Amino acid sequence: GAVVSQHPSRVICKSGTSVKIECRSLDFQATTMFWYRQFPKKSLMLMATSNEGSKATYEQGVEKDKFLINHASLTLSTLTVTSAHPEDSSFYICSALELDRGSYEQYFGPGTRLTVT
Amino acid sequence: AQSVSQHNHHVILSEAASLELGCNYSYGGTVNLFWYVQYPGQHLQLLLKYFSGDPLVKGIKGFEAEFIKSKFSFNLRKPSVQWSDTAEYFCAVNARNDYKLSFGAGTTVTVRA
Repeated sequence: GAVVSQHPSRVICKSGTSVKIECRSLDFQATTMFWYRQFPKKSLMLMATSNEGSKATYEQGVEKDKFLINHASLTLSTLTVTSAHPEDSSFYICSALELDRGSYEQYFGPGTRLTVT
Repeated sequence: AQSVSQHNHHVILSEAASLELGCNYSYGGTVNLFWYVQYPGQHLQLLLKYFSGDPLVKGIKGFEAEFIKSKFSFNLRKPSVQWSDTAEYFCAVNARNDYKLSFGAGTTVTVRA
């Protein structure tokens, strides 16, 4: 299957700083990528849809000015957590959408563990 | 918007036992249905998906799921589990014309050797 990578896998930052997470589709082009947040023992919560060449669309309750998304190329989307606070500590997962002859599949990255101190 | 309910939070069974995980969704329109698995320390992987056609879907690793439209259900089954099936299992759904997935809360499956 297709491969999606995320970098970094873990990051620790101080409160008030910003951190950028990269999501790459390694062997296919993805015009659409998704960003999720996964809490311990909880399901994935969709944060936003990242669209190549256009603005991201955010789910209700997700602050777009806090979670900046850039999808500059067909293989890269970035999520920047701005002015991070301890409550932003979480596991962030991206997925990339592969379209194939009327069908599709989301391929998920391995996730990024963010800890804000 | 869609919502997904997984009935079992944690299932513990012995090797060779049969597994069935429940999944119900609520949505008024046509949906696509998915089961994903997350092995410890690994990323989510697709087990199987239903778009249309035969409501009994076979996936990887011996898993299958049955879509029962009248019950809004998409239960996952495996006749004989192995220790390596220990993982977190997620049911997900999206509306037919939308790629955004709504996930259930997940079921932790622990298989004892």
